[in-house]
Order: sequence, then structure tokens, then C-alpha cells
Amino acid sequence: AQSVTQLGSHVSVSEGALVLLRCNYSSSVPPYLFWYVQYPNQGLQLLLKYTSAATLVKGINGFEAEFKKSETSFHLTKPSAHMSDAAEYFCAVSDFDGNKLVFGAGTILRVKS
Amino acid sequence: GAVVSQHPSWVICKSGTSVKIECRSLDFQATTMFWYRQFPKQSLMLMATSNEGSKATYEQGVEKDKFLINHASLTLSTLTVTSAHPEDSSFYICSARAHSGSSYNEQFFGPGTRLTVL
Repeated sequence: AQSVTQLGSHVSVSEGALVLLRCNYSSSVPPYLFWYVQYPNQGLQLLLKYTSAATLVKGINGFEAEFKKSETSFHLTKPSAHMSDAAEYFCAVSDFDGNKLVFGAGTILRVKS
Repeated sequence: GAVVSQHPSWVICKSGTSVKIECRSLDFQATTMFWYRQFPKQSLMLMATSNEGSKATYEQGVEKDKFLINHASLTLSTLTVTSAHPEDSSFYICSARAHSGSSYNEQFFGPGTRLTVL
């Protein structure tokens, strides 16, 4: 079985500050890990994914995430927050690329000016 | 980019009626589509996997006779909530998996359908 825990349902940062959204996973098989972003009234959009290649994954909009097997973590970071980053972010795990996803509860990111 | 639409975006119905939700991949073909359900302040939960031309695979605890899925073409899957009750009120989201091209295996999500059963 697979599961995802996202620490913090709401995160607030100032514009220009570091963004850190936490995700821990549980998986009985080598995981495929994903971060999605959802803007109001839009579908989820893939930010980045880990598929057992490089442990540091770079995605769109300046986001990146690092796969740490020893910590079972896949935290999402961005060096400098922008107002347009305000959205809800979901971490997800799968047993292979393209298969069904198990999602975390989501984290709403607020960016203060 | 790949676009997935859902129709309707929201629907209100009376208890006991049936509601059909469409999920379309607009600019790519998808042999597999997924249907998720999201309750307020909770995560997306997979309901079923829809495969073109074959029966859907339902997750444990999801009633297949209540949530009818039809994936009749490579661009359309439908979810019908039969004899809807207030507890079926939720946000239903579909995703379509690209089976070719540069986005091979990537899931593209629709914007969701808000169902309210009175």
C-alpha cells in the first residue's frame, strides 16, 4: 500500500522568501513521486516528477524537489516566492509512471506582498 | 499543451436522480482515464480506472453499480452517478493518461465537477 502525508495544510510566505512544502511518503515498492499545483477553477498541473533517475528533480516555474529515500521524503522548494505561486499543491505517489495516483491532502500556499 | 475538459462544471440534482459527468481529452488520445473524488478539505481519492473498450476497474469500497463508468472512445469517458443521494455530493475530477508523444504516460487533469444532491 502507498500513502502520502503533507505537513501543513496552509503555508504562508513573503514574496521573495523561500518556499518549502513538505511531503513524506510510504510505499512498499520503489515509488514514483509527483508534485501537482492547482489554481482556482483549474485542473491539477504537473510541476515535477521523480521516476528513479536523478534524486534532485527540477520542474516548471522554478520549483524543485529532492527525493530522500532514507527520510522517505520528497519536499518541494523554490528559492524565491512569487505572488503567482499562490495555489494549492498536492504531493502524490504511484507504483509506476502513468499508474493510479495516491494523493496527499494538499497544502495551500499563500504569498504575502 | 494537453487539455482535459469536464462537463458540467457543476450540477445540482434531487435525491434519487442520476447524473452523468463527461471527461474529454481535447487534443490527445487517452486509452486510460482515472476518476477521482474529493471531499472538502480532503485529498483526491481514486474511484476507478477507466480503460477504452473494456470494463472499468473500481477501487475497494466503490460501488460499481452506483458509479457507472463508460469509456467508449479514446477521447471520452463518462461517470454516471445513479440514484444520487446527499452523501454523493462531492467534487469529481477526472484525469486522462497520454499514451503517445512527448507526454507519454503523463496524466492530465480536468477542472472537476461539483455535484450537489439535495
